[in-house]
Amino acid sequence: QVQLVQSGAEVKKPGASVKVSCKASGYTLTGYYMHWVRQAPGQGLEWMGWINPTSGDTNYAQKFQARVTMTRDTSISTAFMDLSRLRSDDTAVYYCARWNWEMDAFDIWGQGTMVTVSS
Amino acid sequence: QSALTQPASVSGSPGQSITISCTGTSRDVGGYNYVSWYQQHPGKAPKLMIYDVSNRPSGVSNRFSGSKSGNTASLTISGLQAEDEAYYYCSSYTTSNTLEVFGGGTKLTVL
Repeated sequence: QVQLVQSGAEVKKPGASVKVSCKASGYTLTGYYMHWVRQAPGQGLEWMGWINPTSGDTNYAQKFQARVTMTRDTSISTAFMDLSRLRSDDTAVYYCARWNWEMDAFDIWGQGTMVTVSS
Repeated sequence: QSALTQPASVSGSPGQSITISCTGTSRDVGGYNYVSWYQQHPGKAPKLMIYDVSNRPSGVSNRFSGSKSGNTASLTISGLQAEDEAYYYCSSYTTSNTLEVFGGGTKLTVL
């Protein structure tokens, strides 16, 4: 079935970087844009940006522009989100989500990856 | 502070109907019919319940419905069931830098 499977939980120190992966199965990665959304503990959802897996083009929320890099490897049907210069307030669950153009919505979500930033 | 405003909580008894509002501006909710709603149970990923204001994806119960008036979108759940207890988030396309914006979320309690 169509699903997104993300990499496991990470614990990082302030100032470090983290790279989260999101493997697509049941459909062709290049058929849909991939977005990244995060959720801090007890908080709401926050949109981070998207990548066009076909071209590699990206668009990031201004808040993350200087620290986030979204990439993909189509040979392994996987998208990646790299966040650098981590701070304690980056502690959150990070989700990848498939954008369905026919629905104008995120129709498939990964299971989430918990990233903890602590000294 | 989220760009879209939702009530922090709503509640209802089994069998009743509830409505969750989502208020934005003409740059998002009011300007486009690209409002979606997501259900999130604790510890789980969000699930799409409504797209393009009022459409249900295949497999979503017809007890869930959506509408919009001006800058406010609404999600109505009829015939409340225990399994509907969850957080609900609205989302909209926006002309601001973020391109996609979420509401702060509403906790639905089934009494």
